[in-house]
Amino acid sequence: ETGVTQTPRHLVMGMTNKKSLKCEQHLGHNAMYWYKQSAKKPLELMFVYSLEERVENNSVPSRFSPECPNSSHLFLHLHTLQPEDSALYLCASSPQQGVDTEAFFGQGTRLTVV
Amino acid sequence: SQQGEEDPQALSIQEGENATMNCSYKTSINNLQWYRQNSGRGLVHLILIRSNEREKHSGRLRVTLDTSKKSSSLLITASRAADTASYFCATIIGGNQFYFGTGTSLTVIP
Repeated sequence: ETGVTQTPRHLVMGMTNKKSLKCEQHLGHNAMYWYKQSAKKPLELMFVYSLEERVENNSVPSRFSPECPNSSHLFLHLHTLQPEDSALYLCASSPQQGVDTEAFFGQGTRLTVV
Repeated sequence: SQQGEEDPQALSIQEGENATMNCSYKTSINNLQWYRQNSGRGLVHLILIRSNEREKHSGRLRVTLDTSKKSSSLLITASRAADTASYFCATIIGGNQFYFGTGTSLTVIP
């Protein structure tokens, strides 16, 4: 266990549904991330939160909406998704600063959009 | 794109053999990291090499870095079936934005 917990582990949703992914860490880290992992593609950095403020968007479609209410929790709100959004969504955290900082990942949420 | 690229995309070896995978990246770095991912799970940090280092060891892992070529390699010696996983290199932009490549899928046949 890395100390980063994601729920749910699996999610199947219709294109008209609204759902949320949750990520939680109690490692004292101040930066949290959402990544999307699709088959045969690099991990896509979707969002970065540093000290609860979003610092990177990477032109993610607005049907993905992140929320970081505090330094320990991160959400990804999903609405009107498309089948191509089916992927493994990974949350990660890292210490705020430090040249040699490393990322700690959760186990991921396997999302299927039908 | 700031992402790295791993080579080969897939590698299959017999248990006991060595596995070598390579990473090329595009930006200047402070360090380069390697991560491992078991199928459908999260990534786990393996080893970090700083830009002023050329080689680093950790157990059966050996990492090299050539900043002039913007490339790194990960060597796993005496491989085991349990080493079967995908391996990614990562670079950091802006102090805390981690960028990963497509990964190398390693299969170790018992």
